[in-house]
Amino acid sequence: GAGVSQSPRYKVAKRGQDVALRCDPISGHVSLFWYQQALGQGPEFLTYFQNEAQLDKSGLPSDRFFAERPEGSVSTLKIQRTQQEDSAVYLCASSRSRTGRETQYFGPGTRLLVL
Amino acid sequence: AQSVTQPDIHITVSEGASLELRCNYSYGATPYLFWYVQSPGQGLQLLLKYFSGDTLVQGIKGFEAEFKRSQSSFNLRKPSVHWSDAAEYFCAVPVIQGAQKLVFGQGTRLTINP
Repeated sequence: GAGVSQSPRYKVAKRGQDVALRCDPISGHVSLFWYQQALGQGPEFLTYFQNEAQLDKSGLPSDRFFAERPEGSVSTLKIQRTQQEDSAVYLCASSRSRTGRETQYFGPGTRLLVL
Repeated sequence: AQSVTQPDIHITVSEGASLELRCNYSYGATPYLFWYVQSPGQGLQLLLKYFSGDTLVQGIKGFEAEFKRSQSSFNLRKPSVHWSDAAEYFCAVPVIQGAQKLVFGQGTRLTINP
């Protein structure tokens, strides 16, 4: 079946612009995660949803970052007033259930470049 | 909170040679452990995972990993690498036992010489 999809795949923004990144998880997956991956680094957790509830947003770097999943399916990560340090690959992952043993399936990521 | 260390940033091996990528974790109890692979421009794909039981875990693409509690390690191995194995490899653990939130190592970039 279809995997996790993300759009756009690439985004170039001028500093100060707002951006919105979309994630379509695997159908029926309960859990959804956003990670940020800086160049040459491993992914770092941003936020986690269980259905439509945002249960953990401890990794969001600042109040400029906002995520939502209003109907428990598609999720959007919004970054307001982008800064150069926001340049990274943003990865979305989904999993079937809420247990720690469950495999997380990753999308291809959105590469954001802030000029 | 748990953490994971991948000591090798970059490894180069010849095609057909054996491979071992190192991963060390810090946690008192037996953690859940994961290895992911990331090809250029792609998302992460799960190679294998360990929860309990047999300490030697088989994964996809001919990879295996061995959990060694005494060394706090979960090293990834492959007997004979193929050029298509060139990628970035990440070890990961849940931030706390049972949680889904993962902490990743810095990654090891694997280059294959023909």
